[in-house]
Amino acid sequence: AAGVIQSPRHLIKEKRETATLKCYPIPRHDTVYWYQQGPGQDPQFLISFYEKMQSDKGSIPDRFSAQQFSDYHSELNMSSLELGDSALYFCASSLAGGREDYGYTFGSGTRLTVV
Amino acid sequence: AQSVAQPEDQVNVAEGNPLTVKCTYSVSGNPYLFWYVQYPNRGLQFLLKYITGDNLVKGSYGFEAEFNKSQTSFHLKKPSALVSDSALYFCAVRDGNSGNTPLVFGKGTRLSVIA
Repeated sequence: AAGVIQSPRHLIKEKRETATLKCYPIPRHDTVYWYQQGPGQDPQFLISFYEKMQSDKGSIPDRFSAQQFSDYHSELNMSSLELGDSALYFCASSLAGGREDYGYTFGSGTRLTVV
Repeated sequence: AQSVAQPEDQVNVAEGNPLTVKCTYSVSGNPYLFWYVQYPNRGLQFLLKYITGDNLVKGSYGFEAEFNKSQTSFHLKKPSALVSDSALYFCAVRDGNSGNTPLVFGKGTRLSVIA
């Protein structure tokens, strides 16, 4: 079965650079969530989209932005990168409204290292 | 608002012994509860969920969890631990009355099964 695909798997950037992370949800899933997991930390919710509209916003810095496209894939854009942005970034997808509530299906994550 | 508490950072158990990883939650509406497991440098893998129905939920790899509404707990259990169960375990909750609200994770419990 198709899973949530995230690209790239690994990314190394320098401070003040920009980065774009991509997420391709499971087919038919209409909701995408982004989480950030710092070293030794629990996943922190950043932002989510339902039917291409932002639905919830968590602890996402102003330097970050995200969107969901017409094919339901999502991109997380990160600018003016800081050392503290080094983390594992997860994307998850689901069907909204509890119609198929298996929790979410998570991608394998993108490991961003800022040097 | 919802929150999850995992009171133990680390749980050590001998192989073959039963294991319990504790989780308590707080949610204003209807609790949807989940357990995920994370192996080193890997994504979050779904183990089991409680949405409604029987309080004892059985999941992947022989794990089970019991929903206790009065104690607001959802402890993860396994009758006989394996060394391969050693990993980081996250409990998560969302409010089932609120559409596609994001999952909120606990801080995680590192399980170490010793041969």
